Amino acid sequence: DVKVTQSSRYLVKRTGEKVFLECVQDMDHENMFWYRQDPGLGLRLIYFSYDVKMKEKGDIPEGYSVSREKKERFSLILESASTNQTSMYLCASSDQGRANEKLFFGSGTQLSVL
Amino acid sequence: AQSVTQPDIHITVSEGASLELRCNYSYGATPYLFWYVQSPGQGLQLLLKYFSGDTLVQGIKGFEAEFKRSQSSFNLRKPSVHWSDAAEYFCAVGGYNNNDMRFGAGTRLTVKP
Repeated sequence: DVKVTQSSRYLVKRTGEKVFLECVQDMDHENMFWYRQDPGLGLRLIYFSYDVKMKEKGDIPEGYSVSREKKERFSLILESASTNQTSMYLCASSDQGRANEKLFFGSGTQLSVL
Repeated sequence: AQSVTQPDIHITVSEGASLELRCNYSYGATPYLFWYVQSPGQGLQLLLKYFSGDTLVQGIKGFEAEFKRSQSSFNLRKPSVHWSDAAEYFCAVGGYNNNDMRFGAGTRLTVKP
């Protein structure tokens, strides 16, 4: 069965900490995404990557960076966590080779920044 | 930039009643359109998708959606809602390579007995 795995289901961090959210997919997908999900705002795209070492900013990249050193792994980094980054973070992947392929989502990481 | 608008934040329907969830999109090229559902505590599951051909597409769980280019809409419908349909529904639009997928804010569906 295909899988997108996010390393933590719940995470609690302090303001100012550097935070790493890890995502691994086992489907050999080219595309990987990081979204944050907030009530009333839906899913907002933070960053996406369409190849190793390639990244593109989404709609809300401020305060975040990403790393994709290997095809299967896409990391989201909060350089200095702030309380307004408390949210549910969803990782997703998709195949690039065929049009209109669906996204496969991880189960999410609920991050609380205190 | 592409965007998706779901005008209804929350909808309540009675079990057995029909359902229509609205979705409007903005996209500069040929849109690829999707509806996802997220049940409480669950991940997102694809209901259906459209990229070309017949403008009425059928999905899982008895859902269908109609693409109307002139109205930039992709509304989701179900003729008879079941209690298990209570969830949050997201409309999404993307391009050919799926590398710029955008989601709407979601519509939360409550089903009354």
